[in-house]
Amino acid sequence: NAGVTQTPKFRVLKTGQSMTLLCAQDMNHEYMYWYRQDPGMGLRLIHYSVGEGTTAKGEVPDGYNVSRLKKQNFLLGLESAAPSQTSVYFCASSYLLNYRSSYEQYFGPGTRLTVT
Amino acid sequence: AQKITQTQPGMFVQEKEAVTLDCTYDTSDQSYGLFWYKQPSSGEMIFLIYQGSYDEQNATEGRYSLNFQKARKSANLVISASQLGDSAMYFCAMREGKGYSTLTFGKGTMLLVSP
Repeated sequence: NAGVTQTPKFRVLKTGQSMTLLCAQDMNHEYMYWYRQDPGMGLRLIHYSVGEGTTAKGEVPDGYNVSRLKKQNFLLGLESAAPSQTSVYFCASSYLLNYRSSYEQYFGPGTRLTVT
Repeated sequence: AQKITQTQPGMFVQEKEAVTLDCTYDTSDQSYGLFWYKQPSSGEMIFLIYQGSYDEQNATEGRYSLNFQKARKSANLVISASQLGDSAMYFCAMREGKGYSTLTFGKGTMLLVSP
């Protein structure tokens, strides 16, 4: 199993350009997540999905859109990139969570995005 | 208020010694879970250990243990017999409540293990 994969690994954008980050998982997980990691800030949740066709906003959703057309894929889009979106983006997936669940989130390797 | 607080930006420990990484949390839920992740310099996020709020015993996974003090709302990670490969950033995270829930991460602690 490949686990969670992310495409691309690195990307440089100019302000105002658009792009889509692709996350794929082969573990049949229901939940998928997009985080951004900035120095000194830990990981902050952008958007997440609890199943195919569903999406929800996280802590820092502004400037991003997502789609989950297939259970195994979760796309993160930047319509008009800004320098403040320079970050490392992580995708993660997990089984259905409930309050007694110890299921951890499995993370992809990350995408390093620079917006100039 | 921050939901997860990691007060130690950096920690130093000598090889073979034990080290404790602090984590305090803030929640009004009775049901929650606490996680620790490791992020080495290569960047991947590695799950280490989990503690549920209803678990009566502290979680252990090999050299990792979680010192869970519910009344103090702390969930400190203890690494015994540190190894050079333990040098990494460590994140504490919390999942709150029932139903659909997500993780909230702390800002992390950088651990450096010296020979």
